[in-house]
This record gives sequence, structure tokens and C-alpha cells, in this order.
Amino acid sequence: RKEVEQDPGPFNVPEGATVAFNCTYSNSASQSFFWYRQDCRKEPKLLMSVYSSGNEDGRFTAQLNRASQYISLLIRDSKLSDSATYLCVVEGSSNTGKLIFGQGTTLQVKP
Amino acid sequence: GAVVSQHPSWVICKSGTSVKIECRSLDFQATTMFWYRQFPKQSLMLMATSNEGSKATYEQGVEKDKFLINHASLTLSTLTVTSAHPEDSSFYICSARGRLAGADTQYFGPGTRLTVL
Repeated sequence: RKEVEQDPGPFNVPEGATVAFNCTYSNSASQSFFWYRQDCRKEPKLLMSVYSSGNEDGRFTAQLNRASQYISLLIRDSKLSDSATYLCVVEGSSNTGKLIFGQGTTLQVKP
Repeated sequence: GAVVSQHPSWVICKSGTSVKIECRSLDFQATTMFWYRQFPKQSLMLMATSNEGSKATYEQGVEKDKFLINHASLTLSTLTVTSAHPEDSSFYICSARGRLAGADTQYFGPGTRLTVL
């Protein structure tokens, strides 16, 4: 079983749509969780950290369910510029900085 | 903001040659640097963790004699792919971790695309 699992997609949605990505992780001792965005042939960039209480940044909402070891990302009012691969990332061991990446979910927003 | 650079951004080499990739933290001192590899349509896979002044820690399945890592200063780590072969062709990305504004922060370099002919 992979340490971090995501549905690779692709998700093809029209502009303005709401889309949700899910992710599960296997290590129950994991402490830190993130969503990264990666554009084609570029390095990943931090989109947001994920907390149990849930956090929102504009059109993006992230949620963590520790009991189910499940992380989600919701994108509202999709823009063309949101087209990218979204990576679910878990810090492998507490405060070591070692990041375990999911395979990524590809989003294509169409006009 | 903090920046991490990598050099070269891309390289094409012949099979059997060695290639060195540099990773630099430009605005902060990186206590730890990480090296990742990403094959097409796959996720980033951690290769090794590099701490300044000590030997790198390699992930399972990564040959330490093939992927030589040197972290001689708090702002520079290098990855040398020795005797490269076509199967080593990949996107190599480093990240640098340091303390900024009281918090441990990690930034990724722009990556180096290696093609071995």
C-alpha cells in the first residue's frame, strides 16, 4: 500500500465548477499535512497546510480527518489558471522535514 | 522571499558520464536539504536527506555510491549522478529547510531535468 494515495484523475471541469480532491495516508503517526500544486515541468509549490480544524484560503478549503487518515481539498469557482496537478503531502516523521508525496491529481479547467 | 536555486536547469549527457547538480539556498541557511526524483507521470520520490557537515541519509533502494551527495556548507548541497545511464533520466528536485521567522520552512528548487542518451 502506498504511504499517500490519491486518485490521479484527470478531473475535467468547466470554469466556475466546484471540485474536490481526496487523499488517504497510511502512517497514523504523521503530524503535518499539506497540499502542493505542481505545474507541468515545474517544481511543486505549497498551496496550503492542512489542519484538523479545517482551513480556508480564498477559494480553497482543506480538511483533515485524523481518525480516517483522510485529507481533502475543495476548490470553488474554478479558474482556468487552477489547471495543474495537486499533490497531497504528508510529513513522514515529526518535524524532520521528510515529505511523502502522493501521486497527484490532475485538474483541467475548461472554458 | 526565500529562494532555492538549482544548477543546471537541464542537462543532456552521454551514457557513462557523471553529472553534478547544485542546490543553493539564497536567502537563508539550510540546515537540511532533501533530494527528490520525479519520473514522468509519477510523484516525487525522496532519494536522500542531507545535513550540513555530515553524511547523507539515503532512502531504501537508492544507491549511495551512484548518487553522491555533498553538503559542505549551509547554503550548498550537490548531487552527483555517477556513470549515468538512460534509466537515470528524470527530474531531480532539491528542497532546503531552514529557520525563518521562528518557524522551520522548506522551499523547493526549480528542478534539474536530466536526459541521458
